[in-house]
Amino acid sequence: KQEVTQIPAALSVPEGENLVLNCSFTDSAIYNLQWFRQDPGKGLTSLLLIQSSQREQTSGRLNASLDKSSGRSTLYIAASQPGDSATYLCAALPSGGYQKVTFGTGTKLQVIP
Amino acid sequence: ETGVTQTPRHLVMGMTNKKSLKCEQHLGHNAMYWYKQSAKKPLELMFVYNFKEQTENNSVPSRFSPECPNSSHLFLHLHTLQPEDSALYLCASSPGTAGSYTFGSGTRLTVV
Repeated sequence: KQEVTQIPAALSVPEGENLVLNCSFTDSAIYNLQWFRQDPGKGLTSLLLIQSSQREQTSGRLNASLDKSSGRSTLYIAASQPGDSATYLCAALPSGGYQKVTFGTGTKLQVIP
Repeated sequence: ETGVTQTPRHLVMGMTNKKSLKCEQHLGHNAMYWYKQSAKKPLELMFVYNFKEQTENNSVPSRFSPECPNSSHLFLHLHTLQPEDSALYLCASSPGTAGSYTFGSGTRLTVV
């Protein structure tokens, strides 16, 4: 059974800092890995999707990497802003074409002005 | 809006009430999902529909009853719920069995 762990559970940084959020998964047989952000009481907004054949994806100040062999993915946020404050979740989709995604518990990020 | 619309945004219901949650997507996706998000817990998959057919029921109590009349609409019918069912209920869709997820904004359900 796939388990997805996100460390740290919460993070507080001053505005302008670069930061890294971590996501670990136990079963490396994944099809893709997706990063989301969730604002309080709201749904999930997709940030980046990394296919299993890819090593990283970039969108603006965000860069996500994937290392299947070690069971890890990282989300790098450059020059953090107060608007980046949210909970960030990673989700691992298994291989085999069956849609049963496993979500992590998330990292709650606070960027202090 | 993400392309997946959920209504209502908030719902308060008594334990003897019957209500329904609605989800609609016009992204051309074939798969739709219901998730439950409780405080301090990971997202819990409830139901999966692929081309209108239910392909997953993740041991969900029968007081939750899904309905998928077509690949664009998904309902979650609720009856005789318990206070512990209070949570954020999220609908999502994806292009197929291995595509990117798109989530709705969720329905915040409170059972009193």
